[in-house]
Amino acid sequence: QSVLTQPPSVSAAPGQKVTISCSGSSSNIGINYVSWYQHLPGTVPKLLIYENDKRPSGIPDRFSGSKSGTSATLGITGLQTGDEAEYYCAARDSSLSAWLFGGGTKLTVL
Amino acid sequence: EVQLVESGGTLVQPGGSLRLSCAVSGFHFSLSTMSWVRQAPGKGLEWVAMLKEDGSDEYYVDSVKGRFTISRDNPKNSLYLQMNSLGVEDSAVYYCATGGQKYFENWGRGTLLTVSS
Repeated sequence: QSVLTQPPSVSAAPGQKVTISCSGSSSNIGINYVSWYQHLPGTVPKLLIYENDKRPSGIPDRFSGSKSGTSATLGITGLQTGDEAEYYCAARDSSLSAWLFGGGTKLTVL
Repeated sequence: EVQLVESGGTLVQPGGSLRLSCAVSGFHFSLSTMSWVRQAPGKGLEWVAMLKEDGSDEYYVDSVKGRFTISRDNPKNSLYLQMNSLGVEDSAVYYCATGGQKYFENWGRGTLLTVSS
């Protein structure tokens, strides 16, 4: 069971906006950076957001990240069918000396 | 271009051992923290182990402590994961990834380990 909690699924229509939440605790999200990953079945996981709100080169600005306290949020605007994937948040846990991934959120673009 | 290519995944019996390898190119491997992340069938991503660039510090998820060992050969640009006392719960696609200090930047395509009798 993941210590980082994400909703199992979210959905929205093409062109719309969706947010995915990631809830942690004071030993992980509360004091460490959050990163987000996109994973399509059969493909390589892709880094979408790092250090809470930064986008790697090549990631469109439709993707955004934010963090407040012990929670983080991934936002995706202008949804496209190609955005259908599993999305994961991740953060180091200083108490466990380990990395944690959220359980993943399946995005469906209706 | 950054490339990470995992190998070594196969079918292993419970209790068996296996070593996974990750050959890297396109970046300064000797300056990079490296990690292994796995995904069991139908499950999410799970971080497994991390090793600092000089091999000085290694970290593991509790479920593999004492059974798995992460190592590297910097001159050979290679990362390894020695896995002992394998159980069915270790069945997964194992990904090699750069990073582990703040995030996982680049990922390989993964190698499949199946533990079954």
